[in-house]
Amino acid sequence: QQPVQSPQAVILREGEDAVINCSSSKALYSVHWYRQKHGEAPVFLMILLKGGEQKGHEKISASFNEKKQQSSLYLTASQLSYSGTYFCGAMDSNYQLIWGAGTKLIIKP
Amino acid sequence: EAQVTQNPRYLITVTGKKLTVTCSQNMNHEYMSWYRQDPGLGLRQIYYSMNVEVTDKGDVPEGYKVSRKEKRNFPLILESPSPNQTSLYFCASGRVVGEQYFGPGTRLTVT
Repeated sequence: QQPVQSPQAVILREGEDAVINCSSSKALYSVHWYRQKHGEAPVFLMILLKGGEQKGHEKISASFNEKKQQSSLYLTASQLSYSGTYFCGAMDSNYQLIWGAGTKLIIKP
Repeated sequence: EAQVTQNPRYLITVTGKKLTVTCSQNMNHEYMSWYRQDPGLGLRQIYYSMNVEVTDKGDVPEGYKVSRKEKRNFPLILESPSPNQTSLYFCASGRVVGEQYFGPGTRLTVT
């Protein structure tokens, strides 16, 4: 039932783009994206609701394909500060939030 | 300052000794939840609460109890801790479908 995130890890050079995918086997009410740096608590990036909205946050945007129960997080022109582990959370109609195992992103100068 | 506080931040205890981890938020949020985080498994929701006196089981509720007597507080209770409950625990609060604010985490070791 845990959403499947891919890739598990990715290494980029500063300025390159990345896509992180999140796929759920159950019907979703919303998808939540967070970033966690080592030794810190997760920090909110964005939420996507049913309807396939694409939301943006600086150079980070995301989409939600309701039919496929998939969401993708797009990081454009990555910066060193983007390093960390990215988690997607899938919220169902009971407001239970189940998280993916995370995607570790390493940005090199 | 808007924040979620957890206490204690670090705890080492022995098997079977009841413990409580407190969580408090000052943002008047309805939704509060507890997570445990283990390497390779990501975050797993233990319990969540939509409002006062309303709590629901998350993904991994076994061995844990919660209560929501006041809107701002959501303590996590381990009646009889076992070594497999050694983990990093996060409390979070937010609007029901909205940004969640995480506490700093509590690192629990059960020997």
